[in-house]
Formats: sequence, structure tokens, C-alpha cells
Amino acid sequence: NAGVTQTPKFQVLKTGQSMTLQCAQDMNHNSMYWYRQDPGMGLRLIYYSASEGTTDKGEVPNGYNVSRLNKREFSLRLESAAPSQTSVYFCASSDGTSREAKNIQYFGAGTRLSVL
Amino acid sequence: GENVEQHPSTLSVQEGDSAVIKCTYSDSASNYFPWYKQELGKRPQLIIDIRSNVGEKKDQRIAVTLNKTAKHFSLHITETQPEDSAVYFCRFSGGYNKLIFGAGTRLAVHP
Repeated sequence: NAGVTQTPKFQVLKTGQSMTLQCAQDMNHNSMYWYRQDPGMGLRLIYYSASEGTTDKGEVPNGYNVSRLNKREFSLRLESAAPSQTSVYFCASSDGTSREAKNIQYFGAGTRLSVL
Repeated sequence: GENVEQHPSTLSVQEGDSAVIKCTYSDSASNYFPWYKQELGKRPQLIIDIRSNVGEKKDQRIAVTLNKTAKHFSLHITETQPEDSAVYFCRFSGGYNKLIFGAGTRLAVHP
């Protein structure tokens, strides 16, 4: 039981390049999330997927796209990377089965992305 | 829109002192209030949580209190130890499954 797995762990991109961050969970969770964390800052929600087949914008969605490929996997794509997207990206999942659910989130180890 | 404010942004205490971090939210529909701890270079992890029908919950040296009328909830750490040094985040629900974190409090516990 690996929990939430993110790949890659580190990535350096040039401005304008594209890439996809992968996230997979093996806890049979319904909900998945992508956050970014800038140095010394909090976690800002980029996109989330409340259940398989749905995705919604979070606080800072501009410049990103997501795909909920299946229940296990939720990917984040940067189509044209910009230096402002340099950050640590965390994927998380939770068992958001109802409005009363605790939604305890389990986080991946993070992807450290630098855009030059 | 939905919003959560977390204070203070940094907190420095001597080992053995108490620490209190407070979050104020704007949406009265929230009914679950967790706190996460993030050690340097690591992922956030849940340390304690509370439901809206409870005013206080304790787990050894940490406790969470909730005031729904005033729309704030607080994390209390007693007898602080150096290993409590970390960044602490409150979390808020800005809508169904739209889970938003406070800006974080960097706690430093000095021996």
C-alpha cells in the first residue's frame, strides 16, 4: 500500500515547454487534488476532482489543465511553462464520499518543479 | 467568496511554553475543521480535527477548539518540544470537496 505516488520528484523545464505531472493513489479514494506550494507559502488549490469523471477549478487554475484518467489517477499538465510556475506541487486524495465526509487528505511526496 | 485567515504567520516559543494558532473562516456551511503539520521538506499530515458539533478535542499535548458563532477554530500545543517545530495549516471547505488551506504558521520551538 503505497498511498499517494507522484512522479517525477524533480523536474527542470525551460520557459514554453510542456509537461505532465502524474499522481496515483491506491486507497480507492473518490477525491483527488492538486496544490502548489511556493517557498515559505501555503498550499494553494489548483484543481480538484470530487469523483471520477469530474474536475473543478480551485484557487489558482490558470496555466494548468487536469485529467482524471480513472479513479486511481489524476494528472496535472502545464502546456507552456512559465517561471511563475516554479513551485513544489503536491497531489492529495481523500475519501470524499458524502458532504459529511471528513475528507482526510493524504499527500504525495511532492514534485519540485523549476522553470527557467 | 470563501476565505480562511490564519494567524500568526510565524510563532517563536521556548521549549515547554504553549503555542496557539487561530483560523477564521467566512463560510458558515463548514462542519469539519482539521489541522495539518508539515515538517521541513516533507508532505503535510493530519494531526487533529474537530467536527462542528463539538467545541473542543484533545489528543495528548495538542487540542483544537471551535467557536462556530465567531467562525474561528484554534490549535493549541502545550509543553512544546523542538520536534513541534514545523509549519501548521488549518483547512477549510470552500464548497463540496473544494478544500482550501490557510496560509500557514511557521512554529519555531527553541531549546
